[in-house]
Amino acid sequence: AQSVTQLGSHVSVSEGALVLLRCNYSSSVPPYLFWYVQYPNQGLQLLLKYTSAATLVKGINGFEAEFKKSETSFHLTKPSAHMSDAAEYFCAVVRDSNYQLIWGAGTKLIIKP
Amino acid sequence: NAGVTQTPKFQVLKTGQSMTLQCAQDMNHEYMSWYRQDPGMGLRLIHYSVGAGITDQGEVPNGYNVSRSTTEDFPLRLLSAAPSQTSVYFCASSHIPIRDSYEQYFGPGTRLTVT
Repeated sequence: AQSVTQLGSHVSVSEGALVLLRCNYSSSVPPYLFWYVQYPNQGLQLLLKYTSAATLVKGINGFEAEFKKSETSFHLTKPSAHMSDAAEYFCAVVRDSNYQLIWGAGTKLIIKP
Repeated sequence: NAGVTQTPKFQVLKTGQSMTLQCAQDMNHEYMSWYRQDPGMGLRLIHYSVGAGITDQGEVPNGYNVSRSTTEDFPLRLLSAAPSQTSVYFCASSHIPIRDSYEQYFGPGTRLTVT
């Protein structure tokens, strides 16, 4: 069965530091993977997606993610955190049988001044 | 475009009451869905629809009904509210899911409390 695991329900970094949010997936077929961001009291919006065209995917607001098949990972990174990055981030994989999204539990990113 | 709109933003219900959460989209999306979001559990799919007149159950459909009479609207009905339905509800829409171009657009959410 396909699944998504996000390591760390909360991640805290200092402003200007590297952001690393971890996502591991399980899938028996080549996966299609997504990162969504949810700002406080808002809905989710797409940050970036992996659709097998390139293993390094660039998204909005300076975020990027690298697909590593050998590690079944799709970690999200940003070189320098900004206060406006404080939000909850969700990783998701497309369920192969019916194209629904399977969601990770989310990681809340906290930015320290 | 307004995108995906949801009403109300907040609602408090007593156990046993019924209500309808409204969702509308103006992007001519065929696919619409309802999720609930609970702390530490990500999003869980309640019901979805691939077009007017077609609905199907997600992973947590019990206690909820949906209908899709038009492309634009996809209301979610709580038949007899229970405290376990206290949650934040999101409506989302997209074109028919295609693996390499799949993006869902989300509404702002409805925060429901059942006492």
